Amino acid sequence: EVQLVQSGAEVKKPGESLKISCKGSGYSFPNYWIGWVRQMPGKGLEWMGIIYPGDSDTRYSPSFQGQVTISADKSIDTAYLQWNSLKASDTAIYYCARVTTGAVDLGCDIWGQGTMVTVSS
Amino acid sequence: SYELTQPPSVSVSPGQTARITCFGDVLPKQYAYWYQQKPGQAPVLVIYKDSERPSGIPERFSGSSSGTTVTLTISGVQAEDEADYYCQSADSSGTWVFGGGTKLTVL
Repeated sequence: EVQLVQSGAEVKKPGESLKISCKGSGYSFPNYWIGWVRQMPGKGLEWMGIIYPGDSDTRYSPSFQGQVTISADKSIDTAYLQWNSLKASDTAIYYCARVTTGAVDLGCDIWGQGTMVTVSS
Repeated sequence: SYELTQPPSVSVSPGQTARITCFGDVLPKQYAYWYQQKPGQAPVLVIYKDSERPSGIPERFSGSSSGTTVTLTISGVQAEDEADYYCQSADSSGTWVFGGGTKLTVL
Protein backbone atom coordinates (compact mmCIF):
# COMPACT_ATOMS: atom_id res chain seq x y z
CA GLU A 1 0.00 0.00 0.00
CA VAL A 2 1.27 3.42 -0.96
CA GLN A 3 1.18 5.70 2.06
CA LEU A 4 2.73 8.63 3.86
CA VAL A 5 2.90 8.44 7.64
CA GLN A 6 3.59 11.61 9.58
CA SER A 7 5.01 12.07 13.04
CA GLY A 8 2.73 12.72 15.99
CA ALA A 9 1.23 15.86 17.45
CA GLU A 10 3.55 18.39 19.05
CA VAL A 11 3.06 21.01 21.75
CA LYS A 12 5.79 23.63 21.88
CA LYS A 13 6.52 27.02 23.40
CA PRO A 14 7.23 30.15 21.34
CA GLY A 15 10.89 30.35 20.37
CA GLU A 16 11.44 26.60 20.45
CA SER A 17 12.62 24.59 17.46
CA LEU A 18 10.78 21.69 15.86
CA LYS A 19 11.25 19.13 13.10
CA ILE A 20 8.32 16.99 11.93
CA SER A 21 8.58 14.06 9.57
CA CYS A 22 6.77 12.31 6.74
CA LYS A 23 7.77 8.73 5.87
CA GLY A 24 6.80 7.18 2.58
CA SER A 25 6.27 3.51 1.88
CA GLY A 26 4.97 1.31 -0.92
CA TYR A 27 6.62 3.29 -3.73
CA SER A 28 10.01 4.64 -4.85
CA PHE A 29 10.25 7.57 -2.45
CA PRO A 30 13.27 9.31 -4.07
CA ASN A 31 11.48 9.62 -7.42
CA TYR A 32 8.42 11.60 -6.36
CA TRP A 33 8.14 15.17 -5.12
CA ILE A 34 6.84 15.70 -1.59
CA GLY A 35 4.88 18.86 -0.80
CA TRP A 36 4.04 20.42 2.56
CA VAL A 37 0.70 22.09 3.24
CA ARG A 38 -0.41 24.19 6.21
CA GLN A 39 -3.96 24.37 7.51
CA MET A 40 -4.51 26.86 10.30
CA PRO A 41 -7.46 26.28 12.63
CA GLY A 42 -10.71 26.67 10.72
CA LYS A 43 -8.91 27.88 7.59
CA GLY A 44 -8.03 26.64 4.13
CA LEU A 45 -5.06 24.82 2.66
CA GLU A 46 -1.83 26.75 2.08
CA TRP A 47 1.02 25.47 -0.07
CA MET A 48 4.36 25.79 1.74
CA GLY A 49 6.88 24.18 -0.56
CA ILE A 50 8.07 21.05 -2.27
CA ILE A 51 11.15 18.81 -2.32
CA TYR A 52 12.42 16.12 -4.68
CA PRO A 53 14.07 13.58 -2.35
CA GLY A 54 16.23 12.15 -5.13
CA ASP A 55 18.40 15.27 -5.32
CA SER A 56 16.90 17.49 -2.58
CA ASP A 57 15.80 20.11 -5.11
CA THR A 58 13.58 22.35 -2.93
CA ARG A 59 11.19 25.14 -3.85
CA TYR A 60 9.39 27.34 -1.35
CA SER A 61 6.20 29.31 -1.68
CA PRO A 62 7.11 33.00 -1.31
CA SER A 63 5.00 33.22 1.86
CA PHE A 64 7.08 30.55 3.59
CA GLN A 65 10.56 31.24 2.21
CA GLY A 66 12.88 31.85 5.16
CA GLN A 67 10.23 30.80 7.69
CA VAL A 68 10.69 27.03 7.48
CA THR A 69 13.18 24.51 6.13
CA ILE A 70 12.16 21.54 4.03
CA SER A 71 14.56 18.62 3.77
CA ALA A 72 14.62 14.92 2.98
CA ASP A 73 16.69 11.81 3.66
CA LYS A 74 16.19 9.44 0.76
CA SER A 75 18.07 6.66 2.56
CA ILE A 76 15.18 6.34 5.01
CA ASP A 77 12.36 7.54 2.71
CA THR A 78 11.57 10.50 4.92
CA ALA A 79 10.88 14.17 4.35
CA TYR A 80 11.02 16.85 7.04
CA LEU A 81 9.60 20.26 7.86
CA GLN A 82 11.59 22.30 10.35
CA TRP A 83 11.28 25.53 12.33
CA ASN A 84 14.14 27.24 14.18
CA SER A 85 11.97 29.51 16.30
CA LEU A 86 8.27 28.78 16.54
CA LYS A 87 5.60 31.44 16.88
CA ALA A 88 2.04 31.14 18.13
CA SER A 89 0.91 31.77 14.56
CA ASP A 90 2.59 28.50 13.51
CA THR A 91 -0.21 26.63 15.29
CA ALA A 92 -1.77 24.51 12.55
CA ILE A 93 -2.12 21.07 11.04
CA TYR A 94 0.69 20.31 8.63
CA TYR A 95 0.19 17.79 5.84
CA CYS A 96 2.70 16.20 3.54
CA ALA A 97 1.58 15.02 0.13
CA ARG A 98 3.13 13.06 -2.69
CA VAL A 99 3.11 15.10 -5.88
CA THR A 100 3.00 13.01 -9.02
CA THR A 101 4.10 15.00 -12.06
CA GLY A 102 5.42 14.38 -15.55
CA ALA A 103 3.96 11.79 -17.86
CA VAL A 104 1.51 10.71 -15.17
CA ASP A 105 0.37 14.03 -13.78
CA LEU A 106 -1.85 13.39 -10.77
CA GLY A 107 -1.10 16.37 -8.56
CA CYS A 108 -1.16 15.57 -4.84
CA ASP A 109 -2.36 11.99 -5.07
CA ILE A 110 -1.29 10.64 -1.67
CA TRP A 111 -1.58 12.57 1.61
CA GLY A 112 -0.22 11.99 5.07
CA GLN A 113 -2.60 11.99 8.00
CA GLY A 114 -1.43 15.40 9.18
CA THR A 115 0.61 16.57 12.17
CA MET A 116 -0.99 18.99 14.62
CA VAL A 117 1.47 21.57 15.91
CA THR A 118 0.40 23.72 18.85
CA VAL A 119 2.58 26.64 19.91
CA SER A 120 1.55 28.18 23.20
CA SER A 121 3.22 29.70 26.22
CA SER B 1 2.58 34.62 -7.03
CA TYR B 2 -0.91 34.14 -8.39
CA GLU B 3 -4.34 33.50 -6.93
CA LEU B 4 -7.16 31.04 -7.41
CA THR B 5 -10.63 32.29 -6.47
CA GLN B 6 -13.48 30.05 -5.32
CA PRO B 7 -16.92 30.89 -3.91
CA PRO B 8 -16.94 30.43 -0.12
CA SER B 9 -20.04 28.25 -0.15
CA VAL B 10 -22.40 26.28 -2.37
CA SER B 11 -25.64 24.65 -1.23
CA VAL B 12 -27.66 22.00 -3.03
CA SER B 13 -30.39 19.51 -2.22
CA PRO B 14 -29.73 15.78 -2.39
CA GLY B 15 -29.93 14.46 -5.94
CA GLN B 16 -29.29 17.86 -7.47
CA THR B 17 -26.13 18.98 -9.29
CA ALA B 18 -23.48 21.03 -7.51
CA ARG B 19 -21.05 23.19 -9.48
CA ILE B 20 -18.01 24.70 -7.82
CA THR B 21 -15.94 27.18 -9.80
CA CYS B 22 -12.32 28.24 -9.56
CA PHE B 23 -10.99 31.32 -11.34
CA GLY B 24 -7.36 32.15 -12.06
CA ASP B 25 -5.27 33.78 -14.77
CA VAL B 26 -2.91 30.80 -14.82
CA LEU B 27 -5.64 28.28 -15.59
CA PRO B 28 -5.59 28.57 -19.40
CA LYS B 29 -1.93 27.49 -19.27
CA GLN B 30 -1.80 25.09 -16.32
CA TYR B 31 -3.86 22.11 -15.22
CA ALA B 32 -6.16 22.29 -12.23
CA TYR B 33 -6.66 19.72 -9.51
CA TRP B 34 -9.54 19.32 -7.05
CA TYR B 35 -9.47 17.99 -3.49
CA GLN B 36 -12.23 17.04 -1.11
CA GLN B 37 -11.69 17.50 2.62
CA LYS B 38 -14.13 16.26 5.21
CA PRO B 39 -13.92 17.47 8.83
CA GLY B 40 -10.99 15.98 10.71
CA GLN B 41 -9.60 14.24 7.63
CA ALA B 42 -6.78 14.81 5.19
CA PRO B 43 -7.67 16.05 1.71
CA VAL B 44 -8.44 13.53 -1.03
CA LEU B 45 -7.75 14.06 -4.74
CA VAL B 46 -11.01 13.90 -6.72
CA ILE B 47 -10.03 15.42 -10.09
CA TYR B 48 -6.64 15.83 -11.77
CA LYS B 49 -5.55 17.49 -15.02
CA ASP B 50 -8.79 19.53 -15.15
CA SER B 51 -11.12 16.62 -15.87
CA GLU B 52 -9.55 13.25 -15.07
CA ARG B 53 -10.95 11.18 -12.22
CA PRO B 54 -8.65 9.00 -10.07
CA SER B 55 -9.55 5.40 -9.54
CA GLY B 56 -11.98 4.95 -6.68
CA ILE B 57 -13.64 8.35 -7.11
CA PRO B 58 -17.35 8.04 -7.97
CA GLU B 59 -18.43 8.88 -11.52
CA ARG B 60 -20.69 11.65 -10.24
CA PHE B 61 -17.54 13.77 -9.81
CA SER B 62 -16.39 15.50 -13.01
CA GLY B 63 -14.27 18.47 -13.98
CA SER B 64 -14.16 20.90 -16.87
CA SER B 65 -12.15 23.88 -18.00
CA SER B 66 -12.96 27.00 -19.99
CA GLY B 67 -10.44 29.80 -20.23
CA THR B 68 -9.65 31.21 -16.81
CA THR B 69 -12.30 29.10 -15.04
CA VAL B 70 -12.34 25.47 -14.04
CA THR B 71 -15.44 23.79 -12.63
CA LEU B 72 -15.97 20.80 -10.38
CA THR B 73 -19.37 19.24 -10.99
CA ILE B 74 -21.00 16.75 -8.65
CA SER B 75 -24.04 15.15 -10.26
CA GLY B 76 -26.71 13.57 -8.07
CA VAL B 77 -25.21 14.98 -4.87
CA GLN B 78 -25.35 12.70 -1.85
CA ALA B 79 -25.19 13.61 1.81
CA GLU B 80 -21.69 12.11 2.02
CA ASP B 81 -20.45 14.71 -0.49
CA GLU B 82 -20.80 17.48 2.09
CA ALA B 83 -17.24 18.72 2.52
CA ASP B 84 -14.80 21.48 1.71
CA TYR B 85 -13.47 21.48 -1.84
CA TYR B 86 -10.21 23.08 -2.96
CA CYS B 87 -8.84 23.75 -6.41
CA GLN B 88 -5.09 23.82 -6.99
CA SER B 89 -2.75 24.71 -9.79
CA ALA B 90 0.91 25.49 -10.39
CA ASP B 91 2.72 28.19 -12.30
CA SER B 92 5.57 27.54 -14.74
CA SER B 93 8.18 27.84 -11.96
CA GLY B 94 6.63 24.97 -10.01
CA THR B 95 4.96 27.12 -7.35
CA TRP B 96 1.66 25.55 -6.38
CA VAL B 97 -1.32 27.46 -5.02
CA PHE B 98 -4.67 26.43 -3.55
CA GLY B 99 -7.92 28.25 -3.93
CA GLY B 100 -9.56 29.49 -0.75
CA GLY B 101 -11.91 26.54 -0.59
CA THR B 102 -15.65 26.08 -1.03
CA LYS B 103 -17.90 24.59 1.62
CA LEU B 104 -20.49 22.35 -0.01
CA THR B 105 -23.64 22.03 2.06
CA VAL B 106 -26.17 19.33 1.23
CA LEU B 107 -29.53 20.67 2.38
